[in-house]
Amino acid sequence: DIQMTQSPSTLSASVGDRVTITCRASQTITRYLAWYQHKPGKAPKLLIYKVSSLGSGFPSRFSGSGSGTEFTLTISSVQPDDFASYYCQAYDGSSWTFGQGTKLEIK
Amino acid sequence: QVQLQESGPGLVKPSQTLSLTCTVSGFPISGNYYWVWIRQAPGKGLEYVGSVSHTGSASYNPSLKSRVTISLDTSKNQFSLKVNSVTAADSAVYYCASPQLEFSFDVWGQGTMVTVSS
Repeated sequence: DIQMTQSPSTLSASVGDRVTITCRASQTITRYLAWYQHKPGKAPKLLIYKVSSLGSGFPSRFSGSGSGTEFTLTISSVQPDDFASYYCQAYDGSSWTFGQGTKLEIK
Repeated sequence: QVQLQESGPGLVKPSQTLSLTCTVSGFPISGNYYWVWIRQAPGKGLEYVGSVSHTGSASYNPSLKSRVTISLDTSKNQFSLKVNSVTAADSAVYYCASPQLEFSFDVWGQGTMVTVSS
């Protein structure tokens, strides 16, 4: 199974900052790499799918990129509603794996 | 529009079996897609528990494989999760979900908290 290493585990930012979260996979991922936004008490929401496609309802300040074993989620200008936890997720053809998560906190 | 809803006991005793059901509305579970269980223990991240295909073929997280069973009930349009020999480490919010968009989870239940305690 693929192992996903996500960093950092915690990220402190101010409104307006540009932030980047990274996920590294233990083996090459073709295209099934997703990112989720998760707020307490709610189900996670699909933020990015297939590496760089934006999920329904999310603004364009969110973007995903990468290839092979290294992938990034970027928020170009953090807004108050963005403070949440973020998870990457890979699918290897038979199983799904999540990264450990990144908590985006207010600085 | 596909909707998922978890149900089951919120409290399970140690060593017993945790049983949850996910009721699917808006789509026949035998028609297509995978149907998946994901959990989040308090203070921890999301963990893939296992999945079942629309044909009934199941796959599990290797760390849980010996204790987990996931199955379909097409007559009720439900899929279920059983975890045997539970301990406090199995206490978590359990989500049912379905990866209907490029193997990404775009459909989720609201989640249900299960506590393992005597």
